[in-house]
Amino acid sequence: NAGVTQTPKFQVLKTGQSMTLQCAQDMNHEYMSWYRQDPGMGLRLIHYSVGAGITDQGEVPNGYNVSRSTTEDFPLRLLSAAPSQTSVYFCASSLGASEPNEQFFGPGTRLTVL
Amino acid sequence: KQEVTQIPAALSVPEGENLVLNCSFTDSAIYNLQWFRQDPGKGLTSLLLIQSSQREQTSGRLNASLDKSSGRSTLYIAASQPGDSATYLCAVRPGPANFGNEKLTFGTGTRLTIIP
Repeated sequence: NAGVTQTPKFQVLKTGQSMTLQCAQDMNHEYMSWYRQDPGMGLRLIHYSVGAGITDQGEVPNGYNVSRSTTEDFPLRLLSAAPSQTSVYFCASSLGASEPNEQFFGPGTRLTVL
Repeated sequence: KQEVTQIPAALSVPEGENLVLNCSFTDSAIYNLQWFRQDPGKGLTSLLLIQSSQREQTSGRLNASLDKSSGRSTLYIAASQPGDSATYLCAVRPGPANFGNEKLTFGTGTRLTIIP
């Protein structure tokens, strides 16, 4: 199993540009989520999905959009990038409500918005 | 709103010592607690997961304990090695175990340095 994969590893955007961060998992996990990690603030939940076709907002959803058309993929879209979105983004997945419910994280995407 | 705190933010110890990392949370209605390790510029690696009904979990030199009623967890590392140097994060998942309730609340981590 490749686990949770994320692309790209690094990205530089200009203010106002849009882009999509890709996330995929091959563990047949139902639950997937996106976090951002900022110095001194820990990881904060952006959006999550409990299965294909079902998504919901987390703690900091503004400026981001998600969809889940398949179990494997959960892309995160930045609609109009702002410097405040400079961060490291992590995708995570887990089996879902059943136990054990260990969450697995991808390697992250480091995004800089100029 | 659940808040998770990890103190100290940074810790340096000589190689070979045993050490304890702390994690506290404000809402005891958790489903489980997970400890992660993060190396600089890397993702999170899961170390141990403790269900709310458990008191501790062990993996090799690592032992994690959970006292739900007092809102505390500790990660004990025995015989520390330079390779243990990393940031350690704890995260709690709220209860009950409903579909859609898998979101984690993270602490800000303890940056551990093992001095050779």
